Amino acid sequence: AQSVAQPEDQVNVAEGNPLTVKCTYSVSGNPYLFWYVQYPNRGLQFLLKYITGDNLVKGSYGFEAEFNKSQTSFHLKKPSALVSDSALYFCAVRDAGAQKLVFGQGTRLTINP
Amino acid sequence: DTEVTQTPKHLVMGMTNKKSLKCEQHMGHRAMYWYKQKAKKPPELMFVYSYEKLSINESVPSRFSPECPNSSLLNLHLHALQPEDSALYLCASSQDLAVTDTQYFGPGTRLTVL
Repeated sequence: AQSVAQPEDQVNVAEGNPLTVKCTYSVSGNPYLFWYVQYPNRGLQFLLKYITGDNLVKGSYGFEAEFNKSQTSFHLKKPSALVSDSALYFCAVRDAGAQKLVFGQGTRLTINP
Repeated sequence: DTEVTQTPKHLVMGMTNKKSLKCEQHMGHRAMYWYKQKAKKPPELMFVYSYEKLSINESVPSRFSPECPNSSLLNLHLHALQPEDSALYLCASSQDLAVTDTQYFGPGTRLTVL
């Protein structure tokens, strides 16, 4: 069975500082990993995904994520946070052969001016 | 263009009403999804359509009835809902059901059941 954990319910970062939103996963085969962002009362917006290849994945709005197979992690990062990055972030995983995308519980990111 | 549209944006209905939610995409995607999301929680999968056929039903109560009239449209018919069904209903689409395919979400319909 596949699962994903976001160990932090809330992350607070000062504007201009680097940010990290953590995600760890568990799958039986090769993992396919996704990050989405959700602004208040909106749908989920796709940020980036890891399928195979380079462990550092670059996505939308300056976000990137690092896939670490030995630590089964896929942390989301940005070098310099903006106030407008404040939102709810979801990590999701799909195992090869699985029919469903499994989401983590979400991390509320707040960027303080 | 990665746009999925949903109508209406907001819906308030009584427990005896019948209403429908509509979702549309023009990306040529062959898989479409309905999710239910409660506040501050992740989306929960309800239904998956692939090539206009129902592929997954996550044991959703029969008061929710999905319909896929064509490859661009997905409806969710609602009847005799309960107050606990109040939630944000999200539609998504993807190229196909491949594990590598990205799901693109619409803005959602905020449903309130009185």
